[in-house]
Amino acid sequence: GNSVTQMEGPVTLSEEAFLTINCTYTATGYPSLFWYVQYPGEGLQLLLKATKADDKGSNKGFEATYRKETTSFHLEKGSVQVSDSAVYFCALSGGGGSNYKLTFGKGTLLTVNP
Amino acid sequence: DAGVIQSPRHEVTEMGQEVTLRCKPISGHNSLFWYRQTMMRGLELLIYFNNNVPIDDSGMPEDRFSAKMPNASFSTLKIQPSEPRDSAVYFCASSLSGESSYNEQFFGPGTRLTVL
Repeated sequence: GNSVTQMEGPVTLSEEAFLTINCTYTATGYPSLFWYVQYPGEGLQLLLKATKADDKGSNKGFEATYRKETTSFHLEKGSVQVSDSAVYFCALSGGGGSNYKLTFGKGTLLTVNP
Repeated sequence: DAGVIQSPRHEVTEMGQEVTLRCKPISGHNSLFWYRQTMMRGLELLIYFNNNVPIDDSGMPEDRFSAKMPNASFSTLKIQPSEPRDSAVYFCASSLSGESSYNEQFFGPGTRLTVL
């Protein structure tokens, strides 16, 4: 079945540092890929998505590129802010599984210090 | 526009008691999802409704869990009897049609359940 593996946290960075959170997936076919963000005390929000190979999703300075050859969807941001402190989830849907069903990674806690 | 509304936000109960969690999806959305989040297992889909009909309940842990969606604007998740291992954050999410692989799911703020 489908699965998502993302780097273990927690990740602690200083403001304006470069961020990478690795995500790899296992799926048959061509899944859609997502990054969700969960701020403290809130539900998950969609951060960005990519629906086919080589697509780049971007939002709020975050980017991720759908790499079919490496089955990866790494999240990057060039300069993080304190307000980016949150838990980040990589997820997929489709790709041999149900189209409605999101399969999530375990989440990576990011803390950005001033 | 109001997002997905869940109540209560926090629930503390004793083992053996009945617990009912409530969700109001975004108006116009026709798909509704219940998730459970724990440290050990992460985020798990419990049940998925489309047009008020349960489509996939394979994630419901056992018969103690039940979910209903009597109309397009309301759903409940009930645990009876509750056990300490049910302690988790329960999220409700909704989307416009669950058939497409990339329809965004909008999550509520969650209900933090503690069973003593």
